[in-house]
Amino acid sequence: DQQVKQNSPSLSVQEGRISILNCDYTNSMFDYFLWYKKYPAEGPTFLISISSIKDKNEDGRFTVFLNKSAKHLSLHIVPSQPGDSAVYFCAASANTDKLIFGTGTRLQVFP
Amino acid sequence: GAGVSQTPSNKVTEKGKYVELRCDPISGHTALYWYRQSLGQGPEFLIYFQGTGAADDSGLPNDRFFAVRPEGSVSTLKIQRTERGDSAVYLCASSRTNQETQYFGPGTRLLVL
Repeated sequence: DQQVKQNSPSLSVQEGRISILNCDYTNSMFDYFLWYKKYPAEGPTFLISISSIKDKNEDGRFTVFLNKSAKHLSLHIVPSQPGDSAVYFCAASANTDKLIFGTGTRLQVFP
Repeated sequence: GAGVSQTPSNKVTEKGKYVELRCDPISGHTALYWYRQSLGQGPEFLIYFQGTGAADDSGLPNDRFFAVRPEGSVSTLKIQRTERGDSAVYLCASSRTNQETQYFGPGTRLLVL
């Protein structure tokens, strides 16, 4: 049973436009959510996180939105840059320590 | 400062052999985690250490897998009688405390022939 789902395996966006990556979860006990970015042959790199007590967190070009009633979160990247091309993983935890990851979305930003 | 390091970066072994994978966490981080990532999947939790003790080993797939962290710093993941299905990238992460952001190492790519 996949508790964290990223239903879009890939996304292609033009440079300068907004990239929106989506993530859905099923476990209502999740209270902390994170996004990681992964380049080939490297480990995941932490990008941004949000606690369940918030509905938005912003860091530079990256904003994460959380909709608890819909059990949905999204990552917005604006403006998108070619260096943003990577696989993005959504992860969640439930007042414990282990992270539950989605299957990832491959973002390609083209000129 | 240095990030999480993992050695070896790649390991090729034969079915039935024993392997050890090493993780050096960020200095001062008390929590250490092991995950496994198969092709096309996200990382899957294996085991978590708080200090020297395994606080949660619920993700270990079977008793062929074992991990230690004897001095509360470096950790070793040990796999006995390897099987082809063990082929994956093994990721280690550490965090300052168990409630803070986890930072990942580059992973060890294990291939069992």
